[in-house]
Amino acid sequence: DIVMTQSPLSLPVTPGEPASIFCRSSQSLRHSNGYYYLDWYLQRPGQSPQLLIYLGSNRASGVPDRFSGSGSGTDFTLKISRVEAEDVGVYYCMQTLQVPLTFGGGTKVEIK
Amino acid sequence: EVQVLESGGGLVQPGGSLRLSCAASGFTLSNYAMTWVRQAPGKGLEWVSAVTGDTGRTHYADSVKGRFTISRDASNNALFLQMNSLRAEDTAIYYCAKYLYAHSYYGLDVWGQGTTVTVSS
Repeated sequence: DIVMTQSPLSLPVTPGEPASIFCRSSQSLRHSNGYYYLDWYLQRPGQSPQLLIYLGSNRASGVPDRFSGSGSGTDFTLKISRVEAEDVGVYYCMQTLQVPLTFGGGTKVEIK
Repeated sequence: EVQVLESGGGLVQPGGSLRLSCAASGFTLSNYAMTWVRQAPGKGLEWVSAVTGDTGRTHYADSVKGRFTISRDASNNALFLQMNSLRAEDTAIYYCAKYLYAHSYYGLDVWGQGTTVTVSS
């Protein structure tokens, strides 16, 4: 199984400032079609998860453009260009290259 | 509006069975890959099972293989998870979710609110 490791575990952020979350996989997530099979999700307190980014860098419908995904091989980054109060919650990466699909342990983002 | 609604959770004794349902609305469930993801109390997300939209091929996490069965009913636009031989470690909120496409397991763009399963004597 592919192991997903996120860092940091906790991320205090200041509204208006940028923030980055990192995700590392135990093997490359590059598919033969050239895409990287890596999703990002946000689970706000008390809510179900929501899709932010799929295939490494594709923003899901309705997701603000302050969210961006990048990376290659085994190392990926979710960047929030300017954090807003509504961005608090737990962020998860998930590899979608092979079954079983596996999630990272999560990064809790909270306002300073 | 595209949405899914889970039901069927509850309290069950170890070794017991439970069948979760997921009712889809606003889209044709069999045209998309679908999945079940669970979250144990205070823990992270765990992928449990999925079924492709085109061929109906199924996949399972090792932790549930041989005990859980995913299925769907096209006529009722519903997804199911039959859970047998339940263990305490199966206690979790179970989410039903839809993938972006029929043939690939990426991009869970629609999630339900979850249904809670508690396995305890």
